[in-house]
Amino acid sequence: EPEVTQTPSHQVTQMGQEVILRCVPISNHLYFYWYRQILGQKVEFLVSFYNNEISEKSEIFDDQFSVERPDGSNFTLKIRSTKLEDSAMYFCASSENIGRYGYTFGSGTRLTVV
Amino acid sequence: AQSVTQLDSHVSVSEGTPVLLRCNYSSSYSPSLFWYVQHPNKGLQLLLKYTSAATLVKGINGFEAEFKKSETSFHLTKPSAHMSDAAEYFCVVTLNTGNQFYFGTGTSLTVIP
Repeated sequence: EPEVTQTPSHQVTQMGQEVILRCVPISNHLYFYWYRQILGQKVEFLVSFYNNEISEKSEIFDDQFSVERPDGSNFTLKIRSTKLEDSAMYFCASSENIGRYGYTFGSGTRLTVV
Repeated sequence: AQSVTQLDSHVSVSEGTPVLLRCNYSSSYSPSLFWYVQHPNKGLQLLLKYTSAATLVKGINGFEAEFKKSETSFHLTKPSAHMSDAAEYFCVVTLNTGNQFYFGTGTSLTVIP
């Protein structure tokens, strides 16, 4: 069964450093998403992406965050200057059709900011 | 505004007994509803979805859920629990395009042998 692949599974970074989280969506999918889950809290929406542009973003997704699809296969989330409160599990997802029919999620990247 | 409330943070059942995980939703419009499952160190796997077709939805691994508009509920059930069902379960609501999912806080299911 096709999978969404996220790398790395765990990343530790120092506060103030830039970090890039990488995702390889399912190859024929057109819609891409990032979510995060801070330990003990709900899974929260960050951003959706379609046709090489952001479709929607949440209040969390401020100027410190950016997304990119640099080639035909990768979908990345960049955090420019990490803060302690950015520590969370970050999930990438993709869908073939509009998301109301369901996404396929990756297994997540656990980001720890120290 | 859209939201879901998962009424139980933890549920414990004996192997072979029924499972009931409760979810209530709040939505201004016709929602799509999902249940996702997360096993330890794994991604979020889609169990089943309701997208305005049949109100009784069957999913993978013997799970099903019934959309009840009058009760704003979408409870997840399984007739007989298996040890492999032990995991975290998330109820999710979205609208229209589905660009944004709203997750519940999750229910941790423990299956006792």
